Amino acid sequence: GAGVSQTPSNKVTEKGKYVELRCDPISGHTALYWYRQSLGQGPEFLIYFQGTGAADDSGLPNDRFFAVRPEGSVSTLKIQRTERGDSAVYLCASSLGAGGSNTGELFFGEGSRLTVL
Amino acid sequence: QQQVKQSPQSLIVQKGGISIINCAYENTAFDYFPWYQQFPGKGPALLIAIRPDVSEKKEGRFTISFNKSAKQFSLHIMDSQPGDSATYFCAARTSGTYKYIFGTGTRLKVLA
Repeated sequence: GAGVSQTPSNKVTEKGKYVELRCDPISGHTALYWYRQSLGQGPEFLIYFQGTGAADDSGLPNDRFFAVRPEGSVSTLKIQRTERGDSAVYLCASSLGAGGSNTGELFFGEGSRLTVL
Repeated sequence: QQQVKQSPQSLIVQKGGISIINCAYENTAFDYFPWYQQFPGKGPALLIAIRPDVSEKKEGRFTISFNKSAKQFSLHIMDSQPGDSATYFCAARTSGTYKYIFGTGTRLKVLA
């Protein structure tokens, strides 16, 4: 597709369940990011990948959160033992990545809205 | 996380007026300062950006003013239009990385 695609767009789950959120970045973009946006707040950095490896995962709140990007394209954010406080919109973004005059502009998807009951 | 402080939280402007949103930062390792615009139900989209070696950048009705010594930057929207009604986020990127930190957002409403 032309833009960043995220699925599902909405996910309702029960406390304690496991959730996977998927991101398909723009073709050719080497960098991929996950952000979390709570109501009325700015995007909060979680993790970013350069290729297949996590370049910075300092924003992951605890060990219940994990993200992978095994082939350097699609990424999955995994949340174990979900808690009500995990409810938010999870945004994925991609960029061309490092090098040259590239500014690394972020292109965001529309997000996956997670509700934990 | 290093913070980027944004104000005001919300702003109401008459059509044709000037909208001004301010941001301040502490980390001198930031080297790129974009502004993003977000409409309800959509992801943020890049509006305009500036590097710290420039004091002002203008693109159409949108201008960023940057004060390196004060560690502040602002977005000015000239001739504000109802279609500009959205939430605006400032951001800052850590030098040598592609890690962006976002402000808390300003909800702008332009009255027709």
